[in-house]
Order: sequence, then C-alpha cells, then structure tokens
Amino acid sequence: GEDVEQSLFLSVREGDSSVINCTYTDSSSTYLYWYKQEPGAGLQLLTYIFSNMDMKQDQRLTVLLNKKDKHLSLRIADTQTGDSAIYFCAETDTDKLIFGTGTRLQVFP
Amino acid sequence: NAGVTQTPKFQVLKTGQSMTLQCAQDMNHNSMYWYRQDPGMGLRLIYYSASEGTTDKGEVPNGYNVSRLNKREFSLRLESAAPSQTSVYFCASTQVMNTEAFFGQGTRLTVV
Repeated sequence: GEDVEQSLFLSVREGDSSVINCTYTDSSSTYLYWYKQEPGAGLQLLTYIFSNMDMKQDQRLTVLLNKKDKHLSLRIADTQTGDSAIYFCAETDTDKLIFGTGTRLQVFP
Repeated sequence: NAGVTQTPKFQVLKTGQSMTLQCAQDMNHNSMYWYRQDPGMGLRLIYYSASEGTTDKGEVPNGYNVSRLNKREFSLRLESAAPSQTSVYFCASTQVMNTEAFFGQGTRLTVV
C-alpha cells in the first residue's frame, strides 16, 4: 500500500535555510504536494511538483524530486518565525490523496 | 466565499454515543474526503467520495460511516464512539482527483 514518511521535527534558526524531507512509495503519482498547517487550522497547499520535473522554485521555496529514490524535499530559504508550522508532503493514488506524517518546523530567533 | 465548512468545531462524547460530523463545500467540487489527524501519524484517510453518489473506504474506515448527501455535503457518522476515535477530523474537497485540496478548520472530538 501507499506509505509517505517524514521526520517528525525540525528546528532551525531564523534566517537559516530549512530542508524538509519526504519519501514515498507510489511511483505512479502524477503530482507531489507540500501542504502547510498552522496551529488550529486546516492544511493549505504550499506548492506542488509534476512528476516529470526534477526541481521547482517558487520565491523562497525550492522543491526537489528524485524519482529514482522516491525522495521529495522542500527547502525554505531565509526561514522566518512565520514559517513555524507542520509541513506535510502528499502523493496521489489514482483516486485519493495520501499524506505523510508531517514535519513540525520550529524557528527560533 | 466560505470554502469548506465543518461543524461542530469541538465535541465531547461518552463511549457508545453516536454523532454526525457535517461538512459542506461551496466550490462545486466533485471529490470530498474525511481524514483524521493524530500526533505522529499525520493525516489518515477514513472515507472519500470521488463524485456525487459514490463513496469508498480509505485507510482507517472501521467504526465510521459516510453519506454524500448531495454534491455540496459529505457527512461522517460515528455510530458507537470509542476512546480510540478521539482525534481531530478534517474534511477536504478537490475539483477532481489530483488537484489542490481545500480543507475545513477541523473538528476536535474527545471520547471519554
């Protein structure tokens, strides 16, 4: 079955870069996603990458995809305190969206 | 534009009680989902509805039932609540599969 794994916690200093990693199992996913969850709220789409791409950059966000290793990463440049949240990667099965365990990013001054 | 609306936001149930979580979306989306979120386990899919009139089991369907009442509404029912169902429940919708998912604010359910 599908399985999407992430490390649970990441702590970084304000201004540094953050890298959140994800491994997935379903190689047929058309898109892979990163969602952000702020405290007490639902998830919101942060960015996504099409499965035939290796990299996507969107302002401070860089998504890297290694299809051979089924590894996805999200890099946040110049991390700010407002970036503190839980980040979920997600893959799509044919008819459903499967989320990872989530990585709690804590940014300290 | 409300997006995805869930009710209630909080609920406490006694073991064995039943209740229905309501979800409605106003974006004319075809697909709707129910997830539960537990610490260290991420979001797990309970049930989903790919289109009006269809429902399918997700990863953790036991103890739950769903109804896709119409295109807008997708409810989740707990017939006999158990402490293991203490969780935060999220409803989500997508236009079609493989597109951006929009989430409700969540329902925090405690079963004592």
